[in-house]
Amino acid sequence: KNQVEQSPQSLIILEGKNCTLQCNYTVSPFSNLRWYKQDTGRGPVSLTIMTFSENTKSNGRYTATLDADTKQSSLHITASQLSDSASYICVVSTLFGNEKLTFGTGTRLTIIP
Amino acid sequence: DAGVTQSPTHLIKTRGQQVTLRCSPKSGHDTVSWYQQALGQGPQFIFQYYEEEERQRGNFPDRFSGHQFPNYSSELNVNALLLGDSALYLCASSSRANGANVLTFGAGSRLTVL
Repeated sequence: KNQVEQSPQSLIILEGKNCTLQCNYTVSPFSNLRWYKQDTGRGPVSLTIMTFSENTKSNGRYTATLDADTKQSSLHITASQLSDSASYICVVSTLFGNEKLTFGTGTRLTIIP
Repeated sequence: DAGVTQSPTHLIKTRGQQVTLRCSPKSGHDTVSWYQQALGQGPQFIFQYYEEEERQRGNFPDRFSGHQFPNYSSELNVNALLLGDSALYLCASSSRANGANVLTFGAGSRLTVL
């Protein structure tokens, strides 16, 4: 069964600090992995998309890594800001006929001043 | 350039009623997907529409149905509402031409079933 597991479930850090969120997946065959940011009550917004051949991708203060061998990804946030408070969702795509997306349950990040 | 717009933003229904949610995709997008997101959970795929036909469907009962119009907008209908249908319903649009099926999400419709 295709699954995406994220850890931790929730995280609280001080403004200005760095943090790393984890994503493990069992989706097969793998097509790409995406990280989304979802503010409370809003729709998810794409941060990064990585294919099998990419092992790192940055979007400003967000850097995602991918290890396709161990089926793990991480999202590193540098110099956190209050506006980074949100849920971060890892999504893995499989392409077997039609593309299918498997969503993780997300990590709830809270930045405190 | 308008993104994905959904309506209504919030609504309250009672058990057994029917609801229709609407979605206008981002300009240039031709594919619409619907997701159900329960509180504290990740989005669950309901179905996807392309060229006015349902192309993929997740593990949802027939009470959930949809439609896509010639202008690519879409509706999600849920019949015989249950308490468990309370959730944020997200619409996401994409373009078949871009290959990666990159989704643009709307802000969602928050459905509460009493």
